[in-house]
Amino acid sequence: KAGVTQTPRYLIKTRGQQVTLSCSPISGHRSVSWYQQTPGQGLQFLFEYFSETQRNKGNFPGRFSGRQFSNSRSEMNVSTLELGDSALYLCASSLSRGTQETQYFGPGTRLLVL
Amino acid sequence: SQKIEQNSEALNIQEGKTATLTCNYTNYSPAYLQWYRQDPGRGPVFLLLIRENEKEKRKERLKVTFDTTLKQSLFHITASQPADSATYLCACETGRRALTFGSGTRLQVQP
Repeated sequence: KAGVTQTPRYLIKTRGQQVTLSCSPISGHRSVSWYQQTPGQGLQFLFEYFSETQRNKGNFPGRFSGRQFSNSRSEMNVSTLELGDSALYLCASSLSRGTQETQYFGPGTRLLVL
Repeated sequence: SQKIEQNSEALNIQEGKTATLTCNYTNYSPAYLQWYRQDPGRGPVFLLLIRENEKEKRKERLKVTFDTTLKQSLFHITASQPADSATYLCACETGRRALTFGSGTRLQVQP
């Protein structure tokens, strides 16, 4: 089975721009979670989608949004980029909604905001 | 709110020795703890999950313990190898059905 894929792998943007990141979960997985990883804050939960519905959201501003499609693929969008948004963005998929399910992480998208 | 604390200092050990990493939680006892391994530039990889009512869990050279009295989980790698060098993260569910991760401990195994 193919693993979780994320595109693009690297991205450079400037302040004020917006960005869309994509995540394709493992086939059959219906839950997709997004995390932001920075050296200072570590891994922080952004949001989780299950069956096209956002079920949970972390403590991030409204500039961070996402969606999930009927094939479970997910996108996250960050509008009005700030320097502090530079980070590794990881998505993780699992079979169902419970966090006790093994979370399978993708390789991440490294975003640099200049 | 629940916080997960891991030693931010890198752990350096000699090949063949046992590496022991610590994960402390600050508030209520979580129903379970998960351990992940992360290599540079890659996403975390799930290793083990231990539930609150399990004292110990093993998988090959890995062993995890869960001590609700000390509010602590220990992660052991026996007969460590240079290939075990990575950052190890512990995580638990802290409301919102989301995982909260510790900052991770970097392990360096010297040949």
